[in-house]
Amino acid sequence: SQKIEQNSEALNIQEGKTATLTCNYTNYSPAYLQWYRQDPGRGPVFLLLIRENEKEKRKERLKVTFDTTLKQSLFHITASQPADSATYLCALDIFSGGSYIPTFGRGTSLIVHP
Amino acid sequence: EPEVTQTPSHQVTQMGQEVILRCVPISNHLYFYWYRQILGQKVEFLVSFYNNEISEKSEIFDDQFSVERPDGSNFTLKIRSTKLEDSAMYFCASSLGLDETEQFFGPGTRLTVL
Repeated sequence: SQKIEQNSEALNIQEGKTATLTCNYTNYSPAYLQWYRQDPGRGPVFLLLIRENEKEKRKERLKVTFDTTLKQSLFHITASQPADSATYLCALDIFSGGSYIPTFGRGTSLIVHP
Repeated sequence: EPEVTQTPSHQVTQMGQEVILRCVPISNHLYFYWYRQILGQKVEFLVSFYNNEISEKSEIFDDQFSVERPDGSNFTLKIRSTKLEDSAMYFCASSLGLDETEQFFGPGTRLTVL
């Protein structure tokens, strides 16, 4: 079956460093992939979308890469700040039950220490 | 800035009761979604809605669930006979388009079934 995998262990980094989060997927070639941020008790907030023909996308301190050969997306936050501490979710449409369903990974918790 | 709103923020109900969760999507958006997130687990897609009908639904969205857009602004999720395992955070989202467009999530309704 098709799966999205994100590292379940929290990522702890020092303020100012670059955080790198990984999203792997199996058995599928999505046309695009999205990254969201979720704070405790809140709804996800859209950050970036990258298409299959794009290798890299940037938005301010955020950078996303998309390697369709490795079936992997990397999400980078440069010059990280304590306010970046949150859970980061990757999402793509997965074929299930006869249709394409928006599917989220479990997310990786990022903790930025001052 | 326009946002998706949801009411109530917290709903407590007895097992077997019907609940209606309400959402007001962003006014010019055309696609509407419901997701749920059981505590500590990933965000799961329930249903998408466009042009007054369901466009996709997941295996979770069984006969006890229904959605409706009763007027030009509200979008509701009804759970006919709640079970203990329906306890979760329910998020409504809306988007301008379908594929390759960001979804804007509401703050969620925490449903507790006793």
